Formats: sequence, structure tokens, C-alpha cells
Amino acid sequence: SAVISQKPSRDICQRGTSLTIQCQVDSQVTMMFWYRQQPGQSLTLIATANQGSEATYESGFVIDKFPISRPNLTFSTLTVSNMSPEDSSIYLCSVEGPVGETQYFGPGTRLLVL
Amino acid sequence: GEDVEQSLFLSVREGDSSVINCTYTDSSSTYLYWYKQEPGAGLQLLTYIFSNMDMKQDQRLTVLLNKKDKHLSLRIADTQTGDSAIYFCAERDGGATNKLIFGTGTLLAVQP
Repeated sequence: SAVISQKPSRDICQRGTSLTIQCQVDSQVTMMFWYRQQPGQSLTLIATANQGSEATYESGFVIDKFPISRPNLTFSTLTVSNMSPEDSSIYLCSVEGPVGETQYFGPGTRLLVL
Repeated sequence: GEDVEQSLFLSVREGDSSVINCTYTDSSSTYLYWYKQEPGAGLQLLTYIFSNMDMKQDQRLTVLLNKKDKHLSLRIADTQTGDSAIYFCAERDGGATNKLIFGTGTLLAVQP
């Protein structure tokens, strides 16, 4: 399985600021995804990070709030912009496995917005 | 739209078997998954099953799939205290996105 790292692992931020989360994979992958897990909730897909083109956002998520970069096949960033306490969540990146059957998740970034 | 449901909580005694159930609605799902999330940790892929299979066994884990009823279950044999965690089932979107749609999660508490 792919080894996925995320930075930062956790952060406490003030409302109105922005935070950029990095996701690094130890091998080239085609598909990368960003999910959000709100406190005590399940996971919801924010967007698919496409290499070389704009990310594909799910309903309820917009590029202005969650801009995503995907400069190459091993790296992606998610920015949470103009944060409010409602953005307090765990943000996880995931990648599709080599044969396309599985998805592996990074350790997550725990964000608390005050 | 797609919907994945799980019971919220399951309590078992150490050494017993645990059965966690899941229902889903997307009949075009290609793969179904079970993930484990321990407190403060990310998601660990436990096992998955292709939609044309009805059973998969992997050591202490047995996955049963009833495609007609859109019902998925995970059986953990000889449950240990280290199995205490939240278990999420997920279905892979049958469309072009390959996204996963997660269930609500089942908290498994193993009593010593």
C-alpha cells in the first residue's frame, strides 16, 4: 500500500485565517482525494485533486473556500480559507491503490478553529 | 442519492464474535470496503470485496455481501480489546469519479 503523510498533523487557528494542508505520497498515483470528517461524523468527499487541471468539487464545496493544488503525481495541497469554527474537522487525503481497487488514507490533519 | 447506513454502537465480550452490519443504496457500486478508525488515528483499510462476490475471508475477518438486499456485514472472530474502534463501511461510486461514500460508522466496544 502507499505511504501517505500529511502536514501539519494538527493545528489551532484563528477565525478568518487560512491554513494549507499538504499531502505527500511515496509513489506516483493517478487519483488523489480530499475528505472532511467533522467531529463525531463520517467522512465526506470535498474534491478530487486532478493532476494538471482544476480539482473536481462535490456538491456543497467550492474552490474559493477549499482551493486545491496538484502539481505532480505525488503531492497535493488543500487550503481551508477564511476559516470559521464550523471548519473544525479532520481533513484527510486519500489515494487510489495501484490496481485501482482500493483507497488508502493519510493520517489526517486535525484542525481546530477558535 | 447514495446512502450508507450502519448501526451506531456494538458491545461484545472479549473472545466473542462481532458482526457489524451495513446497508447501501447504490446498486451499481463496484467495490465495498471496511475501514477501522482508532481514537485519534486515521483510517485503516481492513478489507474490501468486489460486488460480484458474496464472501471474502481474511484471517479473523469475514465479509458477507448480499447484493440483492444491498447488505454488507463484517464478522470479527475472537474479538480482542485491540479491536475496539469505529468501523466504517464504504461503497465505491459506480460512476466515473471512484469516490467513496461512507457509512455513519459503528463504534465497537470490546469488554474484557
